[in-house]
Amino acid sequence: SQKIEQNSEALNIQEGKTATLTCNYTNYSPAYLQWYRQDPGRGPVFLLLIRENEKEKRKERLKVTFDTTLKQSLFHITASQPADSATYLCALGSNAGGTSYGKLTFGQGTILTVHP
Amino acid sequence: DTAVSQTPKYLVTQMGNDKSIKCEQNLGHDTMYWYKQDSKKFLKIMFSYNNKELIINETVPNRFSPKSPDKAHLNLHINSLELGDSAVYFCASSHKAGKPSYEQYFGPGTRLTVT
Repeated sequence: SQKIEQNSEALNIQEGKTATLTCNYTNYSPAYLQWYRQDPGRGPVFLLLIRENEKEKRKERLKVTFDTTLKQSLFHITASQPADSATYLCALGSNAGGTSYGKLTFGQGTILTVHP
Repeated sequence: DTAVSQTPKYLVTQMGNDKSIKCEQNLGHDTMYWYKQDSKKFLKIMFSYNNKELIINETVPNRFSPKSPDKAHLNLHINSLELGDSAVYFCASSHKAGKPSYEQYFGPGTRLTVT
């Protein structure tokens, strides 16, 4: 069965450092991978999407890589700030039709805490 | 102006009761979803509707029934509530078939507590 693992349940770093979060998957061939941010008591908020034929995507201080051979995505936040503290979720999606249409399968999330 | 809204935000009820959660989106999206987030924070898809048509129906007890009166609304009705139904339920919406994009927009969640 499909399995998605975000390797660290919790990650603590100092302000200004780069946070690197990992998402690994098995038994899945996703067409794209997304990263979301979730703050306590709120719904997930979309951050970045990367497609299977893309190696890297950037948005401001965020960078995502996607290695379909290793079945892994890395999510980087550079020059981290305490305001970046949140839970980060990776999610895999398929282009297949039918019952897979639009379906996102989420990892369990990594709680990032950035200390001042 | 809230993009995806849910009501109520909190719902406390007793076992055996029937309850509904409402969801509305004003983004003009064709596809809407219901997710369940358990105490371990796993977010799992339950249902999705595309323009009022059921597309995804994961292994969810028959006590859960989604209803989509129009493409801007997707409500979740739960019969005979059980303790294990306690969780946070999120509604989300997206464009159809990733045109122009695949990202999903989530509501604020409804925390359901069954006592």
